[in-house]
Amino acid sequence: GENVEQHPSTLSVQEGDSAVIKCTYSDSASNYFPWYKQELGKRPQLIIDIRSNVGEKKDQRIAVTLNKTAKHFSLHITETQPEDSAVYFCAADAYSGNTPLVFGKGTRLSVIA
Amino acid sequence: DAGVIQSPRHEVTEMGQEVTLRCKPISGHNSLFWYRQTMMRGLELLIYFNNNVPIDDSGMPEDRFSAKMPNASFSTLKIQPSEPRDSAVYFCASSRTETDTQYFGPGTRLTVL
Repeated sequence: GENVEQHPSTLSVQEGDSAVIKCTYSDSASNYFPWYKQELGKRPQLIIDIRSNVGEKKDQRIAVTLNKTAKHFSLHITETQPEDSAVYFCAADAYSGNTPLVFGKGTRLSVIA
Repeated sequence: DAGVIQSPRHEVTEMGQEVTLRCKPISGHNSLFWYRQTMMRGLELLIYFNNNVPIDDSGMPEDRFSAKMPNASFSTLKIQPSEPRDSAVYFCASSRTETDTQYFGPGTRLTVL
């Protein structure tokens, strides 16, 4: 089945700097890759997603890139702010195994003011 | 739309007691997912339904856990008897189709003493 690996597990950046979180997946049939942000004590919330017919998608300070050949995708946050501090999860859809969406283990991002 | 609704938001119970968690998915969504989140194990899929039918319950930890979806607007997750190691945050999520974007409810924080 699909396996999603996410790196790093923790990331600290200075306010204003950029943050990059990377994920790899194993199922070449996967074609939907969402990113979720989970603030402390809150629910995971979708922040951006990408489908395999595009290589990059941007929404203000966040962007996601996808390399289907290499089977990896990344989240980029520019001009980080303290409110970006949260746990970020990547995910990939799966066409085998027991779950239609496989999540990474999460990255705890801390933005230091 | 009110989003995914879960109740209760917090539950504290004693070991051996029965616990029932409830979820109302977003109207029009055909797939419903139950997740458990702990610091140690991250976000784990327990079971998911498609058109009210359980598709895969291989994530359910043991026979003490059961889930039902009697209609398109309601699902329950039951733990009987509960144990301290069941303490976690339980999220319900719904999506339009199995591989579409999942929207999470606010979660139920369960503490078993």
